[in-house]
Amino acid sequence: EVQLVESGGGLVQPGGSLRLSCVASGFTFSDYSMNWVRQAPGKGPEWISFISSSSSPIYYADSVKGRFTISRDNAKNSMSLLMNSLRAEDTAVYYCARDLPGVASSGAFDYWGLGTLITVSS
Amino acid sequence: DIQMTQSPSSLSASVGDRVTITCRASQTISIYLNWYQQKPGKAPKLLIYAASSLQSGVPSRFSGSGSGTDFTLTISSLQPEDFATYYCQQSYITPPLTFGGGTKVEIK
Repeated sequence: EVQLVESGGGLVQPGGSLRLSCVASGFTFSDYSMNWVRQAPGKGPEWISFISSSSSPIYYADSVKGRFTISRDNAKNSMSLLMNSLRAEDTAVYYCARDLPGVASSGAFDYWGLGTLITVSS
Repeated sequence: DIQMTQSPSSLSASVGDRVTITCRASQTISIYLNWYQQKPGKAPKLLIYAASSLQSGVPSRFSGSGSGTDFTLTISSLQPEDFATYYCQQSYITPPLTFGGGTKVEIK
């Protein structure tokens, strides 16, 4: 059974930093591209970052570029998101999501974690 | 960035109704359009990818169609478990991948 489990969320002050982790199981992690998607309270999902199976290429949404860093460790079946200079507008549930493999399906997210809540507030 | 516009933003329907949700892209995206269902407190669930391909395990009452800029998600006979919010998402030009604003399907 495919499982994605996020951790690392919590309350952080504006300007602070946080590292999220996503641990995968039930599939060959090194074969799949992965993503972080967030959802602010009462809003729709927002894709924020992509990392390919080999860690290159990597993409970011403009809203987090220069502040967030995605990485992965295929030996540990894990992916991370280092978030710096956090703002109130970064408050959201953060999900890790697996890319459905295939040319036409790339960019579709077939498995999601349960999510971890980040609240940026003083 | 490609903007995705869904309509309606909400609808009320009864069990057994046929429901259609539309999604329009601000520029052509070929068939690179995906649909998700989200229930409160849960992660989105992939229903349809590449405009019309049914994701494994998704009931056949869900179908997708369209290409270019205009797409539809159809639920042929609405079931109680289908009351949820539905999102379209384009994966043609990335970054960024972009989602529509959502359509909330409520019980009439």
